[in-house]
Amino acid sequence: EVQLVQSGAEVKKPGESLKISCKSSGYSFSSYWIGWVRQMPGKGLEWMGIIFPSDSDTRYSPSFQGQVTISADKSIGTASLQWSSLKASDTAIYYCARGASGYYTWWDYWGQGTLVTVSS
Amino acid sequence: EIVMTQSPATLSVSPGERATLSCRASQSVSNNLAWYQQKPGQAPRLLIYGASTVATGIPARFSGSGSGTEFTLTISTLQSEDFAVYYCQQYLYWPLTFGGGTKVEIK
Repeated sequence: EVQLVQSGAEVKKPGESLKISCKSSGYSFSSYWIGWVRQMPGKGLEWMGIIFPSDSDTRYSPSFQGQVTISADKSIGTASLQWSSLKASDTAIYYCARGASGYYTWWDYWGQGTLVTVSS
Repeated sequence: EIVMTQSPATLSVSPGERATLSCRASQSVSNNLAWYQQKPGQAPRLLIYGASTVATGIPARFSGSGSGTEFTLTISTLQSEDFAVYYCQQYLYWPLTFGGGTKVEIK
């Protein structure tokens, strides 16, 4: 069974750093793109970026380029999303998802989401 | 960036009725269009891909149609568990983009 299990909720202060994770199981992690999606409180879904774990090829949406870093460790089947300096506007739920076939594709499995709260 | 516009923003429907949701792309995405369902407190769930292919495990009352710039998601007979927010997403161009969502609520 394909599963993506994300790390738990985080409460941070502005300016702090953070790394959240998405652990895969039930399929070949290196062979499928993993994407990250942001959902701000009460709002819709936004693509942040994607990574191909086999060679760490990474693409960022223009709105998120330079704001976050996406990485993957294929030895432990885990993708990560990190911030070096959080802002209050980073408060959101973050989802990881698996690309079904390449990255110009639909996204067939999703993690349960990680709530990140940034507040002083 | 391809802008995906969904309408209406909110759709009020009675259980057992038919729901028709629309999604428009700012330029042609051919059939590279997916639909997702999101219930409160849950992750999105894939319903439809390739504009009209129903994903595994999705009930037959869900169907999708369209190509180019105009797409439709139809729920033939609404069940209580179908009240949720629905998003379309194009996957022909980078960045991938979602529509703003349609909330299907109980009338």
